[in-house]
This record gives sequence, structure tokens and C-alpha cells, in this order.
Amino acid sequence: DTAVSQTPKYLVTQMGNDKSIKCEQNLGHDTMYWYKQDSKKFLKIMFSYNNKELIINETVPNRFSPKSPDKAHLNLHINSLELGDSAVYFCASSQDPESLSGNYNSPLHFGNGTRLTVT
Amino acid sequence: GNSVTQMEGPVTLSEEAFLTINCTYTATGYPSLFWYVQYPGEGLQLLLKATKADDKGSNKGFEATYRKETTSFHLEKGSVQVSDSAVYFCALRDNFNKFYFGSGTKLNVKP
Repeated sequence: DTAVSQTPKYLVTQMGNDKSIKCEQNLGHDTMYWYKQDSKKFLKIMFSYNNKELIINETVPNRFSPKSPDKAHLNLHINSLELGDSAVYFCASSQDPESLSGNYNSPLHFGNGTRLTVT
Repeated sequence: GNSVTQMEGPVTLSEEAFLTINCTYTATGYPSLFWYVQYPGEGLQLLLKATKADDKGSNKGFEATYRKETTSFHLEKGSVQVSDSAVYFCALRDNFNKFYFGSGTKLNVKP
């Protein structure tokens, strides 16, 4: 009964390859996110989707493309992988404040991360 | 813009020592504040939260009080254990539904 699950947990691949990371949440949340955590543990927001619509798209290379087939899933596809893409990628979800009567205190719920190593 | 600043680590303590990890924030309006903990090899887990001024969040012996006058949300624990060794993140959620994270503070507790 994992709340936010992402696969795979580890991904080792060579430069130039294309790979995907899948994420699913069973919390009924409206908004899903992708974060990148670097080797110094710094978290950077990449994308956010609300009910399958792109809400946040930070300065991320076009090689990264999120896809949300429904509001419970947000997958991340990466083309032409580069060495600098090596990091831990976290999926997360949160409840939309509009559905909580304007309440902004709902936290983020994170998956366990996908460690991507590009060689 | 909004931001969260927390003390740099690592913080190294002996078991049963008192812990404080400082966190200050900059935000317009009335954000909600959170502390997350990340154990090695795992994702971030919510540790505690506070949603308005003077609220105190608490969980597993950890506490933090939402201080609007000093824009702070310092994390404290009276007696740390080796199992508390982890990275701790302070975060806020603003009234535009955006989350902001601090840079994380690594805590090492030695037996």
C-alpha cells in the first residue's frame, strides 16, 4: 500500500541513451512533481502537474519530458542522457488546496527515489 | 522571492545530546512550514509541520515552533539517538501552492 511509488530504484546507463522513470500515487492527490537531488543533497523542482496539466516547468533541458496519462501517474522520460544527469530523481504528490477549502497545509509526499548513473 | 535558509552541516553530536537545527524563511502571506527527514537511501518523509504563527509541530521527540516575528522554524530534540542520523530539510508551502526547500542539514549522531 505504498503511497508514492517510483520505478526503477536504480538506473545505470550510458551517455546518449534514452530512459524513463515511472511514478504512481494512490493518495488521490491532484498535483504531482519531479525533483532532482544532486550529490550535495540539494533539491531542485523540475516539473509539476495538476490534473494532467503542466503547472511548473523550471529551467530543465528539453531532453526531459514529463508525461501524465492520468492524475495518478507522472512519468519522466529523458533523451540523450548526459553525465550531468546523474542524480537521484524523486517523484512527489500533494493535495490541491482548492479541494481543501483553500487550505495550504497539505505536505508533499515523496517516493523513495531513483538513482540514475550515467557512464 | 520566497526562500528557506537552514544551517549548514554536518552536525555531529553524541547520543543523548540536545539538537537544534536552525531554519529561517522569507515569504509573503502566511506559509505553512515543514520539516522533512531523509534517511540514507530513502526518500524524504514528513517529520512535522505547523500551519500558522505560534503553532508547534512535534513528532518522535522532535519539535519546531512557527515564529512569525523572527521568521524561523528551528528544529529541536532533547536527546538524540544514533537512529536520528539523517539529512533534515526545512520547507515552506506558500499561498500560491509552491514548495521551497532549504539545502538540507546532515546530522551524525555518535554512540
